[in-house]
Amino acid sequence: GAGVSQTPSNKVTEKGKYVELRCDPISGHTALYWYRQSLGQGPEFLIYFQGTGAADDSGLPNDRFFAVRPEGSVSTLKIQRTERGDSAVYLCASSPSLVLKDNEQFFGPGTRLTVL
Amino acid sequence: GNSVTQMEGPVTLSEEAFLTINCTYTATGYPSLFWYVQYPGEGLQLLLKATKADDKGSNKGFEATYRKETTSFHLEKGSVQVSDSAVYFCALSDNTDKLIFGTGTRLQVFP
Repeated sequence: GAGVSQTPSNKVTEKGKYVELRCDPISGHTALYWYRQSLGQGPEFLIYFQGTGAADDSGLPNDRFFAVRPEGSVSTLKIQRTERGDSAVYLCASSPSLVLKDNEQFFGPGTRLTVL
Repeated sequence: GNSVTQMEGPVTLSEEAFLTINCTYTATGYPSLFWYVQYPGEGLQLLLKATKADDKGSNKGFEATYRKETTSFHLEKGSVQVSDSAVYFCALSDNTDKLIFGTGTRLQVFP
């Protein structure tokens, strides 16, 4: 079956531009997560959704970052006025349930964002 | 706050050698513990997990035991293969659903 997909796989943009990163979770998964992985580091939590609503956005670094999941399936991470420090791999994960803390999260291949 | 510390890599081994990758954690309460693996060119995959103290997670010959007394979850394998070359991440999940990862340990296995 299809796993989590993310588009684009690579995105190069200029400082100050706006970017959107898309995540298609596994069908039927209610929970969706965004993480950011900088070079040589582990993934860092950004935000997670229960259905359509953002249940926890405590990991978003500042108000330039925003994410939506309007129909409870596909999610878009939006970054305004990009900065060079935003360069990283952005990972999306989905999980079948939002209840159990030990549910497996299934990760997508990531979008590598480079801000010049 | 909650955190995970794992040994720095790279870890370089010959095929059939014994592997240990150390992982310790800091958390309030009773977190669940995970090992994720990232093979070259692929996304993160769950390798194994343990949800309570003294549980042992195992998969593909890898094992890790949840040790509350030492706050550790060390990854072990008795005989590594070249195909095990990857980056391994230790992670915890507390009362929320988010994962907190360590920095990752690169394993390189040579024939």
